[in-house]
Amino acid sequence: DIQMTQSPSTLSASVGDRVTITCRASQSISSWLAWYQQKPGKAPKLLIYKASTLEIGVPSRFSGSGSGTEFTLTISSLQPDDFATYYCLQYNTYFKTFGQGTKLEIK
Amino acid sequence: EVQLLESGGASVQPGGSLRVSCAASGFTFSSYGMSWVRQTLGKGLEWVSAISGTGSGTYYADSVKGRFTISRDNSKNTLYLQLSSLRVEDTAVYFCAKSVDPRYQFDSWGQGTLVTVSS
Repeated sequence: DIQMTQSPSTLSASVGDRVTITCRASQSISSWLAWYQQKPGKAPKLLIYKASTLEIGVPSRFSGSGSGTEFTLTISSLQPDDFATYYCLQYNTYFKTFGQGTKLEIK
Repeated sequence: EVQLLESGGASVQPGGSLRVSCAASGFTFSSYGMSWVRQTLGKGLEWVSAISGTGSGTYYADSVKGRFTISRDNSKNTLYLQLSSLRVEDTAVYFCAKSVDPRYQFDSWGQGTLVTVSS
């Protein structure tokens, strides 16, 4: 199985900050990586797929980059609605795996 | 608008069985792959199983292989997950999720249904 290591597990930041979350795959997954945002009691929401493609309707302050084994999600200027937990997902094969999650907290 | 509505979650004893369902609307159900993803309370997300649009292809995580069965009824726009030989560690919120193909990312999710396995 492909393991996904996501960091940091918790991130404290302020409105307006630029933040970056990283996911590393245990083997190359090309660009088969997605990012999700989840708020308490809600389903995850797709933000980015194929490493850098923004899902329709997602604000442009979200961006993704990377390929192979290292990937990043960047939020250019944090908004109050962005405080949530973020997960990466590799889908290089049918047997998908998620990162452990990054909880983005208000500083 | 895509809607996915899970149901059937319950509290069961270890070794027991349960079937959870996901009613879909707002898209051509038979044209999309569907999956089940679970989330343990306070923990992360785990992909459980996937099925192709026709139902001919099914895929399982090692942790549930041989115990869970995914199926779909395209005439009813409904996805199912039969859970058998349940273990305490299967306790989780079970989400259904839609993708263009079971190979690809999930683009829509339901709100989840809670399965609790406890004696």
